[in-house]
Amino acid sequence: NAGVTQTPKFQVLKTGQSMTLQCAQDMNHEYMSWYRQDPGMGLRLIHYSVGAGITDQGEVPNGYNVSRSTTEDFPLRLLSAAPSQTSVYFCASRTNRGSAYEQYFGPGTRLTVT
Amino acid sequence: AQSVAQPEDQVNVAEGNPLTVKCTYSVSGNPYLFWYVQYPNRGLQFLLKYITGDNLVKGSYGFEAEFNKSQTSFHLKKPSALVSDSALYFCAGRVYNFNKFYFGSGTKLNVKP
Repeated sequence: NAGVTQTPKFQVLKTGQSMTLQCAQDMNHEYMSWYRQDPGMGLRLIHYSVGAGITDQGEVPNGYNVSRSTTEDFPLRLLSAAPSQTSVYFCASRTNRGSAYEQYFGPGTRLTVT
Repeated sequence: AQSVAQPEDQVNVAEGNPLTVKCTYSVSGNPYLFWYVQYPNRGLQFLLKYITGDNLVKGSYGFEAEFNKSQTSFHLKKPSALVSDSALYFCAGRVYNFNKFYFGSGTKLNVKP
């Protein structure tokens, strides 16, 4: 299993540009989520999904869109990048079955908006 | 409001000494609590979890954590620290049947030889 994969690993955008961060998992997990990590602030939840076709907002959803058309993929779209979106972005997934409630994280995407 | 707090930005310990990384929670209902470790330029790795049952839970790499309901704490411990334990540690919590995880701000553990 590859686990949770994210592309790209690094990205530099200019203010106002749009882009999509890709996330995929091969563990057949129902739940997927996006976090951003900023120094001294831990991880903050952006959006999450409990299954294909179902998404919901987290703590900091503004400026980001998501969709979940398949179980495997959960892309995060930045509509019009702003310097405040400079951060490291992590995708995570977990199963809803049994007691394995822990999340599995991808390696992250480091995004810089100039 | 639901939250998880890590009161220490950094913990310094000598190799071979016991270590403790602190976590307190404010999660209504019965909390599910987790510890993760992050090495430089890597994603978070799961260490251990408390769901129910024994208050002392054991996890990967010799780590353990003690759930204390009266003190609303879930401190991470290890009897003998290794230099390779140096990393960023995150505590996280959620309430059963809710889909949002709440992460602490992280504690940087420095283990000196």
